[in-house]
Amino acid sequence: SQELEQSPQSLIVQEGKNLTINCTSSKTLYGLYWYKQKYGEGLIFLMMLQKGGEEKSHEKITAKLDEKKQQSSLHITASQPSHAGIYLCGAGPPSSQGAQKLVFGQGTRLTINP
Amino acid sequence: SQTIHQWPATLVQPVGSPLSLECTVEGTSNPNLYWYRQAAGRGLQLLFYSVGIGQISSEVPQNLSASRPQDRQFILSSKKLLLSDSGFYLCAWTRGNQPQHFGDGTRLSIL
Repeated sequence: SQELEQSPQSLIVQEGKNLTINCTSSKTLYGLYWYKQKYGEGLIFLMMLQKGGEEKSHEKITAKLDEKKQQSSLHITASQPSHAGIYLCGAGPPSSQGAQKLVFGQGTRLTINP
Repeated sequence: SQTIHQWPATLVQPVGSPLSLECTVEGTSNPNLYWYRQAAGRGLQLLFYSVGIGQISSEVPQNLSASRPQDRQFILSSKKLLLSDSGFYLCAWTRGNQPQHFGDGTRLSIL
């Protein structure tokens, strides 16, 4: 079965600094999803990557999928307090009967210090 | 636009009591529906998924069951709760190749 490992597990950065979160898969990624979760709340979809070398950006967050499709990174530029939360990567095999059976990494807890 | 609702938001139940958590989706038809549990130190784990009314697939053996009585309704149940059932339960939906969209979750505490 596929396993995702995120690093670091927690991260504390000064407001305005850049940061990177990594997600490494034990198998080739067919689709990689990044989500953000505030404590005690649901997951908010950020970005989806499917092709090797693909890169997507939304506001100050950029996600990349490596050419071999086994590792993804999430980069935040000029971090702000609103970026604080838990970031999770999720992935799964090609859809079976339309179902999207995702496995998730353990999450990276991001704290932004003013 | 599509929305997903979960309730209750918080629940405290004694060991051995029954459970019913409900999830409904609005603004779409024939979604795929999912129940996840997020337990401390164990990450987010897929429990059940459904591709249609009455069609339930279980991903892990456990004390819980799921049902889908209507197209946009997904219910998580238990006849007798165990301490190990404590956690944060999340419902999600998707359709086609869209990413999964999650509800706000239910925090379940077992005493």
